[in-house]
Amino acid sequence: QKEVEQNSGPLSVPEGAIASLNCTYSDRVSQSFFWYRQYSGKSPELIMSIYSNGDKEDGRFTAQLNKASQYVSLLIRDSQPSDSATYLCAVNYETSYDKVIFGPGTSLSVIP
Amino acid sequence: DTAVSQTPKYLVTQMGNDKSIKCEQNLGHDTMYWYKQDSKKFLKIMFSYNNKELIINETVPNRFSPKSPDKAHLNLHINSLELGDSAVYFCASSPTPTSGTYTQYFGPGTRLTVL
Repeated sequence: QKEVEQNSGPLSVPEGAIASLNCTYSDRVSQSFFWYRQYSGKSPELIMSIYSNGDKEDGRFTAQLNKASQYVSLLIRDSQPSDSATYLCAVNYETSYDKVIFGPGTSLSVIP
Repeated sequence: DTAVSQTPKYLVTQMGNDKSIKCEQNLGHDTMYWYKQDSKKFLKIMFSYNNKELIINETVPNRFSPKSPDKAHLNLHINSLELGDSAVYFCASSPTPTSGTYTQYFGPGTRLTVL
C-alpha cells in the first residue's frame, strides 16, 4: 500500500516566521514530488515540484527532498496571513501509470 | 480563460437519484482525472483517462461511471446516489507523462450534497 503522510496540524506560525511542512512517503521508486496549496472552498493549486535530491527555491518557498530518507518538506519564509491554507504533499508513483497519491494535508495558520 | 472547468459547481439531490458532472479542459492535455475530497479533506483519486482510454480505476463502486467522449472532456455519472457520496469532486488534467512532468491542474470542484 503506497502512502503519503503529513502532520494534519493545524500548524500556527506568527507573521514573518518560517513555516516548515513535512511529508514522508512509503515507496522508494517515487520520482516526482509536489506541493499543492488549497484555500478553503477552493481547488488545489501547484506551488512547487521537485524531482531530485536537495533544495529547490522559488521566491519565499523552498522544497527539500531526501530520497534516502523518503522525506520531502516545504519551507515558507516570511510567512504571510495569505499563506494560511492547507498544504497537500503529492507523490507520483511511476509503477502506476501517471498516478499521484496525495497526503492528507497540513493546515497552516499564519497569525498577524 | 478557464483551463479546467466543471459543471455544475453545486449539486443537491435526493438519495437514489442519478446525476452527472461534466469536465472540460482547454490545455491540450492528454490525461484527465476524477478525485473525491471528503469532509476530512482527503483527496483520493477515482479514475484517470489518457487519450480517452481508462488507465486508472480505483476501488470505486460500480455506481460511478466515467466517460470520455474526447481527450478534452471527462464526465462522471453517478447512479443511485447514497449519503456517503456527499463530497467535493474535482476534475484535473495533466500533460502526457512523456513530457517529464506530472503537474496536475484542477478544476473548481463540484460540491455534491445527497439528502
